[in-house]
Amino acid sequence: GIQVEQSPPDLILQEGANSTLRCNFSDSVNNLQWFHQNPWGQLINLFYIPSGTKQNGRLSATTVATERYSLLYISSSQTTDSGVYFCAVAAGGSYIPTFGRGTSLIVHP
Amino acid sequence: KAGVTQTPRYLIKTRGQQVTLSCSPISGHRSVSWYQQTPGQGLQFLFEYFSETQRNKGNFPGRFSGRQFSNSRSEMNVSTLELGDSALYLCASKRDRNYEQYFGPGTRLTVT
Repeated sequence: GIQVEQSPPDLILQEGANSTLRCNFSDSVNNLQWFHQNPWGQLINLFYIPSGTKQNGRLSATTVATERYSLLYISSSQTTDSGVYFCAVAAGGSYIPTFGRGTSLIVHP
Repeated sequence: KAGVTQTPRYLIKTRGQQVTLSCSPISGHRSVSWYQQTPGQGLQFLFEYFSETQRNKGNFPGRFSGRQFSNSRSEMNVSTLELGDSALYLCASKRDRNYEQYFGPGTRLTVT
């Protein structure tokens, strides 16, 4: 099956800092989503982005399908951005997404 | 539009018992998938139902089963619970195969 690798595994920032999270995958992508899991376990949709670039407020994402990676940018981070960020990729002939291990982000005030 | 709902939110069971979890998808979504999340294994796909039929299945033992009703609501059942079944069980819904997936709040199962 497809391999999904996220980096870095852990990230600690001061409020106001910017960050880039990366998701590498091993096959051609059918769909790709970024999620934020809050401390209560809820997975919140950030982007549905099998290709191209999208922006939503302080967050933006880019997927370069031909090079098999996606990036999530967080600008001017806030303490509420803390949590785990997951990339979920469906690729090849499958429409079932495989999740990466996530990036755990802590934003200090 | 209401989001994905899951009941119960928390559950404590004893080893050997069985448990049933419920999921109501977003209105209009016919695909419901179930995932297990543990610290050691991360988020793992259990199975997907579409129009009352299991369309995809992950690599879990037969103790894990599910079903979907005509209104797209889904249940999953775990029989003969083991300590290792303690996990957050997440349900997700989407319109069909290649659409954005939305998750419910999860059911946290503890097996003692």
